[in-house]
Amino acid sequence: SQTIHQWPATLVQPVGSPLSLECTVEGTSNPNLYWYRQAAGRGLQLLFYSVGIGQISSEVPQNLSASRPQDRQFILSSKKLLLSDSGFYLCAGSRQDSMEKLFFGSGTQLSVL
Amino acid sequence: AQSVSQHNHHVILSEAASLELGCNYSYGGTVNLFWYVQYPGQHLQLLLKYFSGDPLVKGIKGFEAEFIKSKFSFNLRKPSVQWSDTAEYFCAVNALSGATNKLIFGTGTLLAVQP
Repeated sequence: SQTIHQWPATLVQPVGSPLSLECTVEGTSNPNLYWYRQAAGRGLQLLFYSVGIGQISSEVPQNLSASRPQDRQFILSSKKLLLSDSGFYLCAGSRQDSMEKLFFGSGTQLSVL
Repeated sequence: AQSVSQHNHHVILSEAASLELGCNYSYGGTVNLFWYVQYPGQHLQLLLKYFSGDPLVKGIKGFEAEFIKSKFSFNLRKPSVQWSDTAEYFCAVNALSGATNKLIFGTGTLLAVQP
């Protein structure tokens, strides 16, 4: 079965510092990968998705970027964090040939102070 | 652009009460529709999905949802809730044209079932 490994679970960073959150996938090859941000009252907001190595689509303008250097690796980054970047970030994946089901990582709670 | 609206942000019910959570989407073409659930401290997991065929779909744990195309709705129902149904519920849509590789979620509904 497909599994998403996401780390760290919690992260506290000062404003202006860089960010790198990593997500890796097991159990499937060539998956679609997603970064969502979950905020109370706003649900799950899609930030980025990728259908293959080096292919990134951005859904909302923001201070963050994403990269996919390997088939099963998806990275969320920022050069300088803002207070508004605080939130709960979820990595998710789906099989390339089907949106039947998303499988989610355990999430990272990011606090920017 | 596709979007999903969940009108009930917070629902409180007593055990054995009936549940209906509203979900409306805005997209004129063909869609796949989903309900996901997140129990306290757990990952998001799929509750049920609609791809085609019978618009009344059955999911896990006694949940069902009805796709009404004319109303752009996919409401979630359960005839008798249990305390263990306390969770956050998310409706999601995947449009089947254009950029098809996206699953757009609603804002979620927090359900609290009182014993």
